[in-house]
Amino acid sequence: AQSVTQLDSQVPVFEEAPVELRCNYSSSVSVYLFWYVQYPNQGLQLLLKYLSGSTLVESINGFEAEFNKSQTSFHLRKPSVHISDTAEYFCAVSVSEGGGSNYKLTFGKGTLLTVNP
Amino acid sequence: DTEVTQTPKHLVMGMTNKKSLKCEQHMGHRAMYWYKQKAKKPPELMFVYSYEKLSINESVPSRFSPECPNSSLLNLHLHALQPEDSALYLCASSQGATRGTDTQYFGPGTRLTVL
Repeated sequence: AQSVTQLDSQVPVFEEAPVELRCNYSSSVSVYLFWYVQYPNQGLQLLLKYLSGSTLVESINGFEAEFNKSQTSFHLRKPSVHISDTAEYFCAVSVSEGGGSNYKLTFGKGTLLTVNP
Repeated sequence: DTEVTQTPKHLVMGMTNKKSLKCEQHMGHRAMYWYKQKAKKPPELMFVYSYEKLSINESVPSRFSPECPNSSLLNLHLHALQPEDSALYLCASSQGATRGTDTQYFGPGTRLTVL
């Protein structure tokens, strides 16, 4: 079964520092990968996704992620974080249910990014 | 409009109560989802509706009963819940459920407390 592993449960950083949140997935024929962010007391919002094509995908708020097939990774990076980036970040993979035509998201356990002043 | 709305925001119920959670979207999406999220955990899929038909049930106890009256609405009927069912219940929608590429749009959730 497809799965994702987020290697860090918590990542504390200082404001304006770079950050990398790590995600590894189990390999499969077709891989659709997502990063979602959840701010406190809110639902999840899509940050970015990899479907095919260019292995570097970017979000509108400065995050980027690179799909690396050889390392089965999809790490999320930002060169300079803000206090407002403090949130829970979930990596997810889209898998077909029992190899059929219905897809569902399987989430990693999440990484809590805390940006300190 | 990429909004999924959920009501109520908070719900406190006793173990003998019957209540319902509601979810609505007006994006023309044909797939809708219910998730359960415990504190400091990822969302766990409960149900998927595709074209108003239940397509995935993740072995959820029968005290949770989903309903999809039309393509814009999704309900979750609750009856005889247990304290361990206390959680954030998230609704989501996507264009379809048969393509792995579709983005799921999440509502803000209903915070449920079972006493």
